[in-house]
Amino acid sequence: KQEVTQIPAALSVPEGENLVLNCSFTDSAIYNLQWFRQDPGKGLTSLLLIQSSQREQTSGRLNASLDKSSGRSTLYIAASQPGDSATYLCAVAYGNKLVFGAGTILRVKS
Amino acid sequence: DGGITQSPKYLFRKEGQNVTLSCEQNLNHDAMYWYRQDPGQGLRLIYYSQIVNDFQKGDIAEGYSVSREKKESFPLTVTSAQKNPTAFYLCASSQLAGVVEQYFGPGTRLTVT
Repeated sequence: KQEVTQIPAALSVPEGENLVLNCSFTDSAIYNLQWFRQDPGKGLTSLLLIQSSQREQTSGRLNASLDKSSGRSTLYIAASQPGDSATYLCAVAYGNKLVFGAGTILRVKS
Repeated sequence: DGGITQSPKYLFRKEGQNVTLSCEQNLNHDAMYWYRQDPGQGLRLIYYSQIVNDFQKGDIAEGYSVSREKKESFPLTVTSAQKNPTAFYLCASSQLAGVVEQYFGPGTRLTVT
């Protein structure tokens, strides 16, 4: 069964701290992996997409890595800000079907 | 503006009634998807469609039905057979080739009492 797990479930950090969110998946035959941000009561905003042949992607203060052999991805957020507070979801694509983790709820305190 | 629209944002229904959620996209995407999200859980796939007049069941299709009469539209009907319909429903779309990135609508929160 294809499962995606995200650790930690929740994280609270002071402003300015660098942080890492973790995602693991059981089936390594992935097509790609997406990281999303979700604000309360809102839809999902795509942050980064890593193709299965890539090792990492960067966008501004965000960096996502992918290690297919170990079934892991990490999302690194540099110099966190209160505006980064949201739920971060990892989704693994098998063909065009996405399997989601339960998310990490991030709170950045000012 | 290109994107995905879902309506309404909030929907309230009595138990035993069918209800239809709207999803429209103007991204010219071939594929469309419906997901359900419950508190503290990730999204679960209900149905998806890769081409007009064709769709496939996802992981939790029981109690739901869809249609795909136009490329731009993929409405979801929550039937009275769905035992626990109260949830946040999200629609998405994507291309089928190249960089297959899914784009999401703003969601519809359905409350059934």
